[in-house]
Amino acid sequence: GAGVSQSPRYKVAKRGQDVALRCDPISGHVSLFWYQQALGQGPEFLTYFQNEAQLDKSGLPSDRFFAERPEGSVSTLKIQRTQQEDSAVYLCASSLATGKRNQPQHFGDGTRLSIL
Amino acid sequence: EDQVTQSPEALRLQEGESSSLNCSYTVSGLRGLFWYRQDPGKGPEFLFTLYSAGEEKEKERLKATLTKKESFLHITAPKPEDSATYLCAVQGNSGGSNYKLTFGKGTLLTVNP
Repeated sequence: GAGVSQSPRYKVAKRGQDVALRCDPISGHVSLFWYQQALGQGPEFLTYFQNEAQLDKSGLPSDRFFAERPEGSVSTLKIQRTQQEDSAVYLCASSLATGKRNQPQHFGDGTRLSIL
Repeated sequence: EDQVTQSPEALRLQEGESSSLNCSYTVSGLRGLFWYRQDPGKGPEFLFTLYSAGEEKEKERLKATLTKKESFLHITAPKPEDSATYLCAVQGNSGGSNYKLTFGKGTLLTVNP
C-alpha cells in the first residue's frame, strides 16, 4: 500500500523567502507528526495533529514555523522568512490513533531544505 | 525530559560477523521503545516496538531486547544489505505527551562483503 508521501523532495530557497512543505499521510491514519532532522542527528519533534486538531506545537523552533491540516488528511508545514539555520530534512510521519498501546509512526522520505 | 543515547556511533563488520547495538534511555513512564532503520536519503523505516522489560522481537537477522534502562539490537550473521543507520526512539509520559518520539543520534552500521 501507499506510504507517507512528501513533496517536494528537495527545496532550495534564498534567505528570507517563505517555503511550504507538503505531507500526504497513509490513508486512515489519524495522527500526523512533523520532525526536523539535522545532518548526523536523530529526528526532533516539531508538532502533532490528531485529525485536523493541532494538539502539540511545542517543538516548533520559532513563530516563523506554522503547520496546518485543515481537513484531517494532507498537512502543510510553512516556514516564513527562512534563515540558514532552517536548513535540514523535514520528516512527516503518520500513525493510527494513539492510545493505550501506541502504534508505530511511519515516516515519509522527507524534504531536504537548503537555505542559501 | 526523555533522553536516548546510542552506542557505538559507527560500527564496521565483516559479512557474517555478529554484533550488538546499544540504546540507553531515561524516560518518565515508558510507553514504547522503537527501532528504526534509515538508509541514506530515505526516511526512517519501522523495525520493532518493545513495550516492557524482558520483551524480545525478531525479524530475519535482527533481534531487539529491552531492559529497564537499555535496549539492544542484535545482528546475527549480517549481510552488506544490512548496512544503514539504526535509530532508537522512546515514547514516555513526560509533560502529558504520550505520542512524541525522542530519538538517539543513531548507529551507522557498515557491513563489508
